[in-house]
Amino acid sequence: EPEVTQTPSHQVTQMGQEVILRCVPISNHLYFYWYRQILGQKVEFLVSFYNNEISEKSEIFDDQFSVERPDGSNFTLKIRSTKLEDSAMYFCASTSVLDGANVLTFGAGSRLTVL
Amino acid sequence: AQSVTQPDIHITVSEGASLELRCNYSYGATPYLFWYVQSPGQGLQLLLKYFSGDTLVQGIKGFEAEFKRSQSSFNLRKPSVHWSDAAEYFCARIISNFGNEKLTFGTGTRLTIIP
Repeated sequence: EPEVTQTPSHQVTQMGQEVILRCVPISNHLYFYWYRQILGQKVEFLVSFYNNEISEKSEIFDDQFSVERPDGSNFTLKIRSTKLEDSAMYFCASTSVLDGANVLTFGAGSRLTVL
Repeated sequence: AQSVTQPDIHITVSEGASLELRCNYSYGATPYLFWYVQSPGQGLQLLLKYFSGDTLVQGIKGFEAEFKRSQSSFNLRKPSVHWSDAAEYFCARIISNFGNEKLTFGTGTRLTIIP
């Protein structure tokens, strides 16, 4: 069964450092998402991406965050200058309306720890 | 704002006992509702979904959920739980925007199974 792949599974970084989280969505999917889950809290929407541009972003997704689809397969989330409160599990997801839709397939997540 | 509420933070049941996890959604037209499961250290796995039609939906791993519009509920059930069902369960709804699907999650219910 096709799956969404995320790397790294766990990253530890110092406050102020840049972090890039990578995702390989399912190959025929067109819509891509990042969500995050701070430990003990609910999963929150960060951003959606379609046709090489951001479709929607939440209040959390400030200027420190950016997303990119640098090639035909990868979808990345960059945090320019990490803060302690960025420590969370970050989930990538993708979907295709043509597949009967409205169903997001999530990756296993990337755990980010900011020290 | 359209939201999802999971009243139970933590539930403990005996192995082999029946299970019901509660989920309520706030008013909104055409709710698309989901249940996801997150096992320790794992990503989010879709258990089942409701879009329309039969209000009792079957999912994977022996789970089912019933949509009740009159109660704004979408409770998850399983007749006999297994130790491997211990996990965090999230109810979610989608605000569909024709491909830009943004999931809103509940706060989750942690399920513990005792022998």
